[in-house]
Amino acid sequence: DTGVSQNPRHKITKRGQNVTFRCDPISEHNRLYWYRQTLGQGPEFLTYFQNEAQLEKSRLLSDRFSAERPKGSFSTLEIQRTEQGDSAMYLCASRGEWGRGGNTIYFGEGSWLTVV
Amino acid sequence: AQTVTQSQPEMSVQEAETVTLSCTYDTSESDYYLFWYKQPPSRQMILVIRQEAYKQQNATENRFSVNFQKAAKSFSLKISDSQLGDAAMYFCAYRRTTGANSKLTFGKGITLSVRP
Repeated sequence: DTGVSQNPRHKITKRGQNVTFRCDPISEHNRLYWYRQTLGQGPEFLTYFQNEAQLEKSRLLSDRFSAERPKGSFSTLEIQRTEQGDSAMYLCASRGEWGRGGNTIYFGEGSWLTVV
Repeated sequence: AQTVTQSQPEMSVQEAETVTLSCTYDTSESDYYLFWYKQPPSRQMILVIRQEAYKQQNATENRFSVNFQKAAKSFSLKISDSQLGDAAMYFCAYRRTTGANSKLTFGKGITLSVRP
């Protein structure tokens, strides 16, 4: 396993622009999570996929946020019309089925977003 | 809703000494997992140790051990023989065992510094 991969690692964008982050989970992990983390805080849940189905979305995920996971492999998180309050690290995580390390959720290195 | 509380924002330990990080949680579930994750500065969040609630025996991983008090809903992490590489932010996290989602709920974290 190569681990959870996220890109870009850093993104600086102007307010009002759209940004997209990509996450490649550990191969064969069918469950994928997006979290948001601000400085000095713990990660907050945004959304969850099982295979290609988006099964849960947090109230933190406003209409400007959309996540997809076509074909149940990689996932993208798009933020439209970015605001300064969107500045944070966006973490992707994955886990497998029970008995295949399914007890543990593995995290990527995160994608830092700065909105100026 | 489940909550995780880490009331100590910062702690410091002398190299080679022992330190204990505190965590409490609230849940109405009887079966769940508890985790400690480590997040070094600008680095990936990694799992330190995991505890299944149905197990009475406290989990241990090399220099890391937990004191799990289910009735008190307390889950502390003890780091023995502290090393400079242990300096990081540590997050306590909770996850239900039931339900397809079973997302992690994190505390706010504690910053651990290690004095040489």
